[in-house]
Amino acid sequence: NAGVTQTPKFRVLKTGQSMTLLCAQDMNHEYMYWYRQDPGMGLRLIHYSVGEGTTAKGEVPDGYNVSRLKKQNFLLGLESAAPSQTSVYFCASTQRNRGEQYFGPGTRLTVT
Amino acid sequence: GQQVMQIPQYQHVQEGEDFTTYCNSSTTLSNIQWYKQRPGGHPVFLIQLVKSGEVKKQKRLTFQFGEAKKNSSLHITATQTTDVGTYFCAGYSGYSTLTFGKGTMLLVSP
Repeated sequence: NAGVTQTPKFRVLKTGQSMTLLCAQDMNHEYMYWYRQDPGMGLRLIHYSVGEGTTAKGEVPDGYNVSRLKKQNFLLGLESAAPSQTSVYFCASTQRNRGEQYFGPGTRLTVT
Repeated sequence: GQQVMQIPQYQHVQEGEDFTTYCNSSTTLSNIQWYKQRPGGHPVFLIQLVKSGEVKKQKRLTFQFGEAKKNSSLHITATQTTDVGTYFCAGYSGYSTLTFGKGTMLLVSP
């Protein structure tokens, strides 16, 4: 099992460009999450999904959109990137409500 | 909203010394989890505590959940260089989302 994978690993964007980050898990987990990690800020929840076809906003959703068309995939979109979105993005999944979360390796995004 | 505070932010110890990080929540938690993130890596789940007053051990690591289920601690006995990383506590108080503390970065000098 690959667990949780994320693509790409690194990306540099110019302000105003768009991109999609892909998260895939092969553990048949129901719940999936997108976090961003900034120095000194810990992990902050952007959006999450409790099942295929459902999404919900987290703590810092502005400037991001998500989709969960297939159970194994959770996409995070940036429609018009801003320098404030420079961060490391982690995807996570869990099988059960309030369960331990399994994290992907992360995507390091720089917006210039 | 829920807040989870963690102290200290950073600690540098000599190998063999003990280390403790503390976690406090503004609300009662249904459970608390601890994660470790090595430099350049991703968070990895260590343990979950559910019951009031619960204490769990993993080799040199001891985890405690407070009686009021609003605080927790992680204690490492006789640190080793392999313990280097950032330790996060995280709590569920609502339905399905974790709130993470900002983490304690541990540096261990040989």
